[in-house]
Amino acid sequence: QVQLVQSGAEVQQPGASVEVSCKTSGYTFTAYSMHWVRQAPGQGLEWMGWINPNRGNTNYAQEFQGRVTMTRDRSINTFYMKLSGLRSDDTAIYYCATLYCGPTTCFDNWGQGTLVTVSS
Amino acid sequence: QSVLTQPPSASGTPGRRVTISCSGSSSNIGTNTVNWYQQLPGAAPKLLFYNNNQRPSGVPDRFSGSKSGTSASLAISGLQSEDEADYYCAAWDDSLNAYVFGTGTNVTVL
Repeated sequence: QVQLVQSGAEVQQPGASVEVSCKTSGYTFTAYSMHWVRQAPGQGLEWMGWINPNRGNTNYAQEFQGRVTMTRDRSINTFYMKLSGLRSDDTAIYYCATLYCGPTTCFDNWGQGTLVTVSS
Repeated sequence: QSVLTQPPSASGTPGRRVTISCSGSSSNIGTNTVNWYQQLPGAAPKLLFYNNNQRPSGVPDRFSGSKSGTSASLAISGLQSEDEADYYCAAWDDSLNAYVFGTGTNVTVL
């Protein structure tokens, strides 16, 4: 079955960087782009961007441009999201998700989420 | 802040019908299809509807989705306690070149 397994919780200081990984299995790694979505405590969902696993090209939400870097390693079927210049309001659960829907079917799968806490 | 607006909460007694609205604009709902997600407490979101009104396998037909112009709606008929969750609409926004989520609606079964 399809699985997206994310790395464990992180605690980082303000100004630091964090990298979250998302290891995929159960489907062809290069078939679907990977999106990243975050959710601050008690808040809604916020889309951060996506990466194409074939060419590695990315599309970042304007809010995160300059601070986020999404990469992938095709040899181990794993995606990465790095967020730099962390602030307290970056404290959130970060999800990887495939979010693909075509005319008649969807490939919509989510990781379990990674809690990132930004605190001094 | 989100460009798709939903009511913050909705509620109903078991067996009743609840409707959640999602208001957008011409650059998102007006042009592209709408997806709906259900998020149970402590869990990742789960796709409930795609392409405005198509249900993935396993989603009960008590749930229905629709779209008209720049707005969309999710209806839950025969409300059950297990439907207590947060619900989010989502759509691609051509102006922002981004996938945008609604503000979210918390559904409570009284």
